[in-house]
Amino acid sequence: DAGVIQSPRHEVTEMGQEVTLRCKPISGHDYLFWYRQTMMRGLELLIYFNNNVPIDDSGMPEDRFSAKMPNASFSTLKIQPSEPRDSAVYFCASSPWGLGDYEQFFGPGTRLTVL
Amino acid sequence: AQSVTQLGSHVSVSEGALVLLRCNYSSSVPPYLFWYVQYPNQGLQLLLKYTTGATLVKGINGFEAEFKKSETSFHLTKPSAHMSDAAEYFCALNRGGGYNKLIFGAGTRLAVHP
Repeated sequence: DAGVIQSPRHEVTEMGQEVTLRCKPISGHDYLFWYRQTMMRGLELLIYFNNNVPIDDSGMPEDRFSAKMPNASFSTLKIQPSEPRDSAVYFCASSPWGLGDYEQFFGPGTRLTVL
Repeated sequence: AQSVTQLGSHVSVSEGALVLLRCNYSSSVPPYLFWYVQYPNQGLQLLLKYTTGATLVKGINGFEAEFKKSETSFHLTKPSAHMSDAAEYFCALNRGGGYNKLIFGAGTRLAVHP
């Protein structure tokens, strides 16, 4: 398996622009997670899905952030409008269900820079 | 509530020396515990995990960790550090039971010098 795939790997945009990050989880995994990593706040869980349904979005910072999972093989995280404080590395992870150990498999991340 | 505390945000060792990265947790239920490693500009990679059974867990790259319930600890060790071990290490907890959410520690950056 190719692992969790994220695109783009790097994104540079200007304040006020819309940004869309994409994730393809490992086939067969029922859980999908979006994380944000910054020096100041470390790793933060933004939202996670189970079987394409959002389960916990309490980590989404504000209404500018939205996430969707239209099918089992694709998810997006959108920021609109973007602000400089959104600059971070965004990770997507997926996890199988039923193994009883809840290991998460991480993608390589998208480094977002908002100017 | 569940939480993870990693003692020491930075640890520096000499090549060949023992590596010890400390992790303590708080959980109201028996936890699943994980150590992840993050190399520069990369995603997180699982080093090892504790679910049930043997409390001494061996992982990749010669790392191991011991689950000590009485001490609520899950420290990561490696007998002999290698330059390639320089990375950031994260301890994480999942309470399981259908609540599939990892709680991460703040991370420990390991530096290995010649």
